[in-house]
Amino acid sequence: GQQVMQIPQYQHVQEGEDFTTYCNSSTTLSNIQWYKQRPGGHPVFLIQLVKSGEVKKQKRLTFQFGEAKKNSSLHITATQTTDVGTYFCAGAPGNTPLVFGKGTRLSVIA
Amino acid sequence: DAGVTQSPTHLIKTRGQHVTLRCSPISGHKSVSWYQQVLGQGPQFIFQYYEKEERGRGNFPDRFSARQFPNYSSELNVNALLLGDSALYLCASSLVEGQFYGYTFGSGTRLTVV
Repeated sequence: GQQVMQIPQYQHVQEGEDFTTYCNSSTTLSNIQWYKQRPGGHPVFLIQLVKSGEVKKQKRLTFQFGEAKKNSSLHITATQTTDVGTYFCAGAPGNTPLVFGKGTRLSVIA
Repeated sequence: DAGVTQSPTHLIKTRGQHVTLRCSPISGHKSVSWYQQVLGQGPQFIFQYYEKEERGRGNFPDRFSARQFPNYSSELNVNALLLGDSALYLCASSLVEGQFYGYTFGSGTRLTVV
């Protein structure tokens, strides 16, 4: 079945450093979505990318969707302690239920 | 507007027992999806319902079943509980079936099987 892989599994950064997580799918995706889950919380929708090569920004967060629509990345500039949590990418081929990656857990050291 | 409501928030059950988890989607949302999240892992898809019909089923045993009611709320049932069923069960609400609009998750039901 379809698989969505994320790297790294964990990332520890000093506050103010940048952070990037990468997502790769075994199949071409119709769209890619990103979610953030705070410790003890539930996933919260961040953004959806649909077009090949699409780049979207939300303040310090930059999201990219690969040209082949099989990979994506999330980059956070100048991390803050409020960025702590696990970031999940999720996608599926066609209009089918989302498949989530295992996530990247971000720790920010003040 | 109320968000996605799940009940109960926490539950402790014994192996072999049965459990029913409930979810009320956002008003106007017709699709409900159920996910299982084991500690340290990403959510795993269990079921998706749209307009009271099952639209997708993940790789879970027949002990897992679900249904959607006319008011679009949903129940997830798990029979003959195993220790490995201990997890956070998440309900996701979306406007339509599939995943083109992003999911809104409830706070989840944390199930512990002892």
